[in-house]
Amino acid sequence: EDQVTQSPEALRLQEGESSSLNCSYTVSGLRGLFWYRQDPGKGPEFLFTLYSAGEEKEKERLKATLTKKESFLHITAPKPEDSATYLCAVQARRAGGYQKVTFGTGTKLQVIP
Amino acid sequence: EAGVTQSPTHLIKTRGQQATLRCSPISGHTSVYWYQQALGLGLQFLLWYDEGEERNRGNFPPRFSGRQFPNYSSELNVNALELEDSALYLCASSRFQSDTQYFGPGTRLTVL
Repeated sequence: EDQVTQSPEALRLQEGESSSLNCSYTVSGLRGLFWYRQDPGKGPEFLFTLYSAGEEKEKERLKATLTKKESFLHITAPKPEDSATYLCAVQARRAGGYQKVTFGTGTKLQVIP
Repeated sequence: EAGVTQSPTHLIKTRGQQATLRCSPISGHTSVYWYQQALGLGLQFLLWYDEGEERNRGNFPPRFSGRQFPNYSSELNVNALELEDSALYLCASSRFQSDTQYFGPGTRLTVL
């Protein structure tokens, strides 16, 4: 069964203090790895899709990278508005399609002014 | 472009009742997904509809069911509600199967 483990569970940063969030995954044949941001009581907001090891994507202060076993979400000079729970998810590539996406439990990021 | 919409925003039911939640996908999207997010827990996959057919189902009892209409909108039905069904129910859509999923704002279901 596909597994996603995110660490740390919670992270508290000072404004401007860069850091990385980790997503380790186990899947037999990766079709895609997804990063989302979720604010309390709201639906997840799509950030990135990564498809193959070595791929990198950036958006404002966020940069996502992918290896064969894990993905990192790097946050450069975070601001208080970056405070949210960041979710990682994977989808396997299997014959027949329609493979469900498996989500991790997320990293809750708090950025203090 | 309008995003995924869900209704109602909040729903309060008592144990044993039935709940119906609705979802309208992004225009042009044919796949609709349902997830349950209980307080403090991760997203649990419920159901996946594509082109009107149920394509995949998570580890939930049969009292969780749904359907997709010809206009690709979807509804989730939960029968014989139990207290532990209280959660945020999220709907997502994608252009086609195995494409990136975009989420709606969710329906908060409270079972008393």
